[in-house]
Amino acid sequence: DAGVIQSPRHEVTEMGQEVTLRCKPISGHDYLFWYRQTMMRGLELLIYFNNNVPIDDSGMPEDRFSAKMPNASFSTLKIQPSEPRDSAVYFCASSYTGTGVHFGNGTRLTVT
Amino acid sequence: TQLLEQSPQFLSIQEGENLTVYCNSSSVFSSLQWYRQEPGEGPVLLVTVVTGGEVKKLKRLTFQFGDARKDSSLHITAAQPGDTGLYLCAGEEGTGNQFYFGTGTSLTVIP
Repeated sequence: DAGVIQSPRHEVTEMGQEVTLRCKPISGHDYLFWYRQTMMRGLELLIYFNNNVPIDDSGMPEDRFSAKMPNASFSTLKIQPSEPRDSAVYFCASSYTGTGVHFGNGTRLTVT
Repeated sequence: TQLLEQSPQFLSIQEGENLTVYCNSSSVFSSLQWYRQEPGEGPVLLVTVVTGGEVKKLKRLTFQFGDARKDSSLHITAAQPGDTGLYLCAGEEGTGNQFYFGTGTSLTVIP
């Protein structure tokens, strides 16, 4: 399996622009997670899905963030409008019930 | 959000030395995982411990889960430069497959 695939690897955008991050989980996994990593706050869970259904979005910073999982093989995290404080590495991860979490290589977002 | 504190935050040692990294919380976890993350990559799962007091070994790495399932340690014997990376612990609350990550320990092994 190719693992969790994220795109793009790097995104540079201006404040106020919409940003969409994409993720393809490992086939057969029933959980999908979106994390954000910064030096100051470490790895934070933003939202996770089980069988394509959002279970807990309490980690989403504010209404500017939204996530969707239209099917078992695709998820998006959208920030609209983006702000400089959103700059971070965003990880998508997936797992199968009772097993470990597999991470993608992340999207490094820079908002200027 | 359950807080998992890791110590030390940074560690720089010479090749061949031994080291221990700690992961502590006031919460009880149903399982705990250790990950290693290298620059530009996502964390990679090393081990999962489930039972209080459990000890698992992975070559030169020894992982222990505390008896009360609130804390864990990672011991590396004869560290090598390839061990360099960010070590993260993650605790699972209940059985919801939701993991909370620790603050991380950045390890540098100098040749």
